[in-house]
Amino acid sequence: KQEVTQIPAALSVPEGENLVLNCSFTDSAIYNLQWFRQDPGKGLTSLLLIQSSQREQTSGRLNASLDKSSGRSTLYIAASQPGDSATYLCAVEGRTGANSKLTFGKGITLSVRP
Amino acid sequence: EAGVTQSPTHLIKTRGQQATLRCSPISGHTSVYWYQQALGLGLQFLLWYDEGEERNRGNFPPRFSGRQFPNYSSELNVNALELEDSALYLCASSLRYGTVKGTQYFGPGTRLLVL
Repeated sequence: KQEVTQIPAALSVPEGENLVLNCSFTDSAIYNLQWFRQDPGKGLTSLLLIQSSQREQTSGRLNASLDKSSGRSTLYIAASQPGDSATYLCAVEGRTGANSKLTFGKGITLSVRP
Repeated sequence: EAGVTQSPTHLIKTRGQQATLRCSPISGHTSVYWYQQALGLGLQFLLWYDEGEERNRGNFPPRFSGRQFPNYSSELNVNALELEDSALYLCASSLRYGTVKGTQYFGPGTRLLVL
């Protein structure tokens, strides 16, 4: 059974800081890994998707890396801004059958202080 | 292009009642997924429909059921509501090309409160 862990549960940083959010998963037989952002009481916004054959993806100030063999992914946020304050969720999608679904971590709640 | 839409935005029911939640996918998307986000439990996969058929089901009791219509919209039905069913229910849609699965795009959710 796939399990996704995100530690710490919460993080507070000053504006302008570069930061790394970590995600680990137990089963390396994944189809893809996605990072999402969720604002309080809202739905999810997809930030980056990394296919299992890829090592990283970049979008603006965001960079996500994937190391399948070690079961780890990181989301790097450059020059953080107060508008980045949200909960960041990591999710992995299995390949087939009962694993053909997104399994989510519990998220990291990020607060960027002005 | 319109995103994934869900209705209603909020729903209040009492124990034992039935709830029906609706989802319209992004135009052209054939797969619809349902997730439950309950306080303290994180996001849990409920159901996946593709081309009108149920493709996968999470670890939820049979009173959680759904269907996908010919226009790819979907309904989630929850029978015999219990207090712990109170949660944000999120719907997502994606493209599929054979065995290739696309990014899942999420709707804003329906917040269900069971009293």
